[in-house]
Amino acid sequence: SQQGEEDPQALSIQEGENATMNCSYKTSINNLQWYRQNSGRGLVHLILIRSNEREKHSGRLRVTLDTSKKSSSLLITASRAADTASYFCATDGGGSNYKLTFGKGTLLTVNP
Amino acid sequence: GAGVSQSPRYKVAKRGQDVALRCDPISGHVSLFWYQQALGQGPEFLTYFQNEAQLDKSGLPSDRFFAERPEGSVSTLKIQRTQQEDSAVYLCASSLGFGGNTEAFFGQGTRLTVV
Repeated sequence: SQQGEEDPQALSIQEGENATMNCSYKTSINNLQWYRQNSGRGLVHLILIRSNEREKHSGRLRVTLDTSKKSSSLLITASRAADTASYFCATDGGGSNYKLTFGKGTLLTVNP
Repeated sequence: GAGVSQSPRYKVAKRGQDVALRCDPISGHVSLFWYQQALGQGPEFLTYFQNEAQLDKSGLPSDRFFAERPEGSVSTLKIQRTQQEDSAVYLCASSLGFGGNTEAFFGQGTRLTVV
């Protein structure tokens, strides 16, 4: 079963606009990660945020984490056509849980 | 190698055939994960190794699925008596740390088609 649920399932924007994707999860976590998957390719790690962090930045990416609401958001600013991909959040289930559990993903399309 | 390598990239198997999928993780990575990804879905956890120890195999869908990592490096996922519902992309990932505590590096996957 999948721990995280991304929202929306699909998002279509114009180049230059910002894209926001949300992730909700069910159990306690030690950290939450975001990954990107281009069509037919493997997953690429984007950013990891720990449960004691509220916000993290990496280049054009901004991730927030609200452990009280069990939710996270990924913001991509000034989007480019190359950002077109599926985006997944992944959680570790907290404690000594070894699983890295993924959601169903958000398909982002950035139109040139 | 520079990244996680999986072979073969594509495998077509006749129903009932046994298959073996190989994963070469990044050298020195302690953790190794196997995932199954159906079209349009997120990766579903299958199993986790810490070095040679299989600490979690709760995601393996049936006893036809078996994974090993005998020397704590290369791992093999074996599927016996393949069924059509086994058709999916099988992803392997490795990470330097334990469990989901650090960034995981994924291979390109093996696309298995059972006919």
